[in-house]
Amino acid sequence: ELQLVESGGGLVQPGGSLRLSCAASGFTFSSYWMTWVRQAPGKGLEWVANIKQDGSSKYYVDSVKGRFTISRDNAKNSLYLQMNNLRAEDTALYYCARWELVMGTYYYLDVWGRGTTVTVSS
Amino acid sequence: QTVVTQEPPFSVSPGGTVTLTCGLSSGSVSATNHPSWYQQTPGQPPRTLIYSTNIRSSGVPDRFSGYILGNKSALTITGAQAEDESDYYCVLYVGSGIWMFGGGTKLTVL
Repeated sequence: ELQLVESGGGLVQPGGSLRLSCAASGFTFSSYWMTWVRQAPGKGLEWVANIKQDGSSKYYVDSVKGRFTISRDNAKNSLYLQMNNLRAEDTALYYCARWELVMGTYYYLDVWGRGTTVTVSS
Repeated sequence: QTVVTQEPPFSVSPGGTVTLTCGLSSGSVSATNHPSWYQQTPGQPPRTLIYSTNIRSSGVPDRFSGYILGNKSALTITGAQAEDESDYYCVLYVGSGIWMFGGGTKLTVL
């Protein structure tokens, strides 16, 4: 069964740090681009960051550049998001998801975790 | 600053047809934006509905269809059912490795 399980969320003070993890199973993790998507309470989905199969390319939404770092460990089938200098507006449910490639050309998100909650508050 | 646009909350009668759209403030949506659509109900992660503009994900009923409508990506539900009451999101590739979700459309079936 294809599965993504996030962990590492919690309550953190503004300016603090947190590291999210996503454990993948049921597929060859090292063959896929992976992503973090977040959803603030009562709000819509927001793409946060992408990482290439070998970790050589990473992309971020402007609001987290310089504060968040996406990484992966293919030997451990795990995706990570290191979040530093956290702000109240980073409060959200953070999902990890897999990018599937079809027809060698088109990407879409086909496997999602259930998310881990990050709350930034004093 | 590019924005992905979706309709505000929408309502459809049971059995009715509704079309939701996904646009780009900077221009037209095409296949090169990799448009895909997701359905989300409260407390659940998103579920993939449509990818590559018009391909239904496994298990998605054929009342859901996707296509390019003018300069936007579109999702049509033909014969809406009560269980289709959800939030619907599109995501587009906007270039330079960056993806953006639309703000979502809350669909009510009543």
